[in-house]
Amino acid sequence: DVKVTQSSRYLVKRTGEKVFLECVQDMDHENMFWYRQDPGLGLRLIYFSYDVKMKEKGDIPEGYSVSREKKERFSLILESASTNQTSMYLCASSSLLMRGAPYEQYFGPGTRLTVT
Amino acid sequence: SQKIEQNSEALNIQEGKTATLTCNYTNYSPAYLQWYRQDPGRGPVFLLLIRENEKEKRKERLKVTFDTTLKQSLFHITASQPADSATYLCALSGSARQLTFGSGTQLTVLP
Repeated sequence: DVKVTQSSRYLVKRTGEKVFLECVQDMDHENMFWYRQDPGLGLRLIYFSYDVKMKEKGDIPEGYSVSREKKERFSLILESASTNQTSMYLCASSSLLMRGAPYEQYFGPGTRLTVT
Repeated sequence: SQKIEQNSEALNIQEGKTATLTCNYTNYSPAYLQWYRQDPGRGPVFLLLIRENEKEKRKERLKVTFDTTLKQSLFHITASQPADSATYLCALSGSARQLTFGSGTQLTVLP
């Protein structure tokens, strides 16, 4: 079974702190994604990566950066946390395309981040 | 801009009935549509994928339809059970790496 793990389930940080969220997958997937999920807004894509050291902006990249130094690990960084970044953060991974169809995404359990 | 709408935030049905959830989209021509289930405090779990040239897909008690003319997908759960209670998300992709998710419909199956 694919397993996607996230470093913390709950995290409380202060405004202005630098925050690291780590995600590890064990299925050798090429693609990795970071989303945030807020009530009524659904899942919104922050960044994704389709290879080591490669990254692409999603729909809401402002205030975030990412790092992918190893294939299995994808980190989300909040350079200076703000209260409007309080949210549930979800990491996902997927394999490469097969016959033109996107593979399903496998999600981690999420990190609920509170910025005070 | 692209928009995905899922019918009513919450849907309550009686056990044994068929639940029908709707996903409508605008300003989008997706090639693929996926449905996920999400339980409280957990990440979404993939259920089904349907391509734009497929009208219908089935998996056990689940059925998905995809109408590119109406720009709509319907997700059906037949013979619903309380264990089917969860939030169901639809997700669309044009370029295959990225998915755009709807905000979800919370389904409650009453015993």
